[in-house]
Amino acid sequence: EIVLTQSPGTLSLSPGERATLSCRASQSVSSKYLAWYQQKPGQAPRLLIYGASSRAIGVPDRFSGSGSETDFTLTISRLEAEDFAVYYCQHYGNSLFTFGQGTRLEIK
Amino acid sequence: EVQLVESGGGLVQPGGSLRLSCAASGFTFSNYWMSWVRQAPGKGLEWVANTKQDGNEKFYVDSVKGRLTISRDNAKNLLFLQMNSLRAEDTAVYYCARVGYHYDILTGFYWYFDLWGRGTLVTVSS
Repeated sequence: EIVLTQSPGTLSLSPGERATLSCRASQSVSSKYLAWYQQKPGQAPRLLIYGASSRAIGVPDRFSGSGSETDFTLTISRLEAEDFAVYYCQHYGNSLFTFGQGTRLEIK
Repeated sequence: EVQLVESGGGLVQPGGSLRLSCAASGFTFSNYWMSWVRQAPGKGLEWVANTKQDGNEKFYVDSVKGRLTISRDNAKNLLFLQMNSLRAEDTAVYYCARVGYHYDILTGFYWYFDLWGRGTLVTVSS
């Protein structure tokens, strides 16, 4: 069973700054099956990135994903007010899905 | 409009049962795997179950096996989650989610959740 560990648990930054969120897998995984989601309070999650680095339709290009094997990163180049939310990584394997525990991105 | 709308949540006693529904519209429901994902109050996301396009393959997280059953009615564009022997730890918002995919001729299929409903709250308490 793949376990995804996200860090940090909470990230405090100011608008305009760069955010770097980490997702570490307990064993090597295919980057094809690594996705990132954004969730705002009271809302359903929103797909941001699939295949570790491909942006979903409508996602601004300030969001980017990278990584391979066990280490994956979501980067937000210049934070805007609407970006403060909780972010989850997710893995698919053998018809099962697993989420990381989330990183809360808050305004400093 | 492409959307998923859940219903059927509510308050149920421990050991009780509940049936959730998800109505799909705006896309060809029978072309997609579908899932249920839940979120306990103040907690993270947890995938619960998947069903293949024709409903003949189903997969579950270990904690719900034998108690929760996913099913679908492609003629009515409906996804269901039958919840039996409910426990306090099943208390959560339950989201219906479409398993989207991207196909690359060189690297094959990519799988992810590309469409979500707003969720329905299930509270298990006496």
